[in-house]
Amino acid sequence: GAVVSQHPSWVICKSGTSVKIECRSLDFQATTMFWYRQFPKQSLMLMATSNEGSKATYEQGVEKDKFLINHASLTLSTLTVTSAHPEDSSFYICSASGTRASYEQYFGPGTRLTVT
Amino acid sequence: GENVEQHPSTLSVQEGDSAVIKCTYSDSASNYFPWYKQELGKGPQLIIDIRSNVGEKKDQRIAVTLNKTAKHFSLHITETQPEDSAVYFCAASKWLTGGGNKLTFGTGTQLKVEL
Repeated sequence: GAVVSQHPSWVICKSGTSVKIECRSLDFQATTMFWYRQFPKQSLMLMATSNEGSKATYEQGVEKDKFLINHASLTLSTLTVTSAHPEDSSFYICSASGTRASYEQYFGPGTRLTVT
Repeated sequence: GENVEQHPSTLSVQEGDSAVIKCTYSDSASNYFPWYKQELGKGPQLIIDIRSNVGEKKDQRIAVTLNKTAKHFSLHITETQPEDSAVYFCAASKWLTGGGNKLTFGTGTQLKVEL
């Protein structure tokens, strides 16, 4: 149980284009989803938190117009990197919590984004 | 905001030995402390967690201890095996107003179990 998937697992895009990453909770309903970014050999940095049907809450320093988050349903959240640049290349990971009272976060396998 | 420090950054042990990773946190309001294992190119996997009303928790070869007064918690792995080799992250969290909990991660420990 508590499986989270991400698609795609890796993507290469050209500078200036946009790319969408999907995060799905496969066997539970995720009231809250989180998006993280991880650079090589570094820790996970929270980018934003989203509750189903509400606008995402972004961490300080994260551009909300560049990283668009949509939590459309209890099983799907998407992250769109708009006008991507090489410095946006990173490992993007989502996580999900089952209910508003749930402590546990279950992580997806991550998406490797490379911007050329 | 919350700040989590983790030590050591790298840890090498012989197979069968024990491994201990330590973390400290700054926010006394934090009330949930999970540990994650991350293998190369994969997402973090929850291996054990502890809540602030508990001092110790054990699951087979893995145990976690929490000292709220000192604001530190530790991961103990006994009888280490080569498949335990990975990066381990501690985290501290507290409730968000809108629901869910915000995790602040430590810097990670690269554990290598040598044959």
